[in-house]
Amino acid sequence: GIQVEQSPPDLILQEGANSTLRCNFSDSVNNLQWFHQNPWGQLINLFYIPSGTKQNGRLSATTVATERYSLLYISSSQTTDSGVYFCAVVTGTSYGKLTFGQGTILTVHP
Amino acid sequence: EAGVAQSPRYKIIEKRQSVAFWCNPISGHATLYWYQQILGQGPKLLIQFQNNGVVDDSQLPKDRFSAERLKGVDSTLKIQPAKLEDSAVYLCASSPYTGNEQFFGPGTRLTVL
Repeated sequence: GIQVEQSPPDLILQEGANSTLRCNFSDSVNNLQWFHQNPWGQLINLFYIPSGTKQNGRLSATTVATERYSLLYISSSQTTDSGVYFCAVVTGTSYGKLTFGQGTILTVHP
Repeated sequence: EAGVAQSPRYKIIEKRQSVAFWCNPISGHATLYWYQQILGQGPKLLIQFQNNGVVDDSQLPKDRFSAERLKGVDSTLKIQPAKLEDSAVYLCASSPYTGNEQFFGPGTRLTVL
C-alpha cells in the first residue's frame, strides 16, 4: 500500500514564528487532506488539496502531485496552533480510504 | 450545518466485555467511515459504508468487531469481546460520496482494563 511520511516528527516554536511541515507519499493520489488534531482529539479539517495551492488565513498548503509531496505553511504561529498535524491521502484503488502519516507534533510556546 | 456526532465520548470496560459506539454522519452524506487511532499513531480505517452497503472492511477484525448501517444514515460499531489492545480512539467520518473530503466526529476514547 501507499506510504505517507511526515516531517519533522516534532517541532517546537516560539509564538510568532513561521513553520513548514512536509508530507511525502509513495504513489499517485486522488485526494490529500491536512488535519489539525487538537488536545481533545478532534480532527479539524485544514485543507482538501489534491493539487495546487490554497490559503486560509495564516495557513496555506501546496501539493505537487507529480513530485508526490505536500507542504503546510503556518505563519505567525499562536499557542492555539499546538497539536498534531496529519497529512492523509486517498489513492485511486483505495475506495476513498484515507491513509494517514504519523503526524507532526507542534508545540508553540508563548 | 451540524457535524458528525458520536457517542459516548469516553468508555472504560474490562477485557472480555462488549461495547458499542454510535455515529450520526453529516446530513446527506452517503459515505461513512470508522477509523481506529491508537495512541501516537495516525487513524487507520476499520470499515467503510456507501449508503447501507459495505465498501471496504478488509482491516476489520471480524472475529470480534462488527458494524452496521441499516438505514443508510447512522451507524453502530461493536466490539465483543474486547481485548487490551483495543484501547484506542474510535473515530467516525463521513463524506458526500466516496473520494470526497472527509469530516470527522469528536471520537470515542475506549480504555480496556
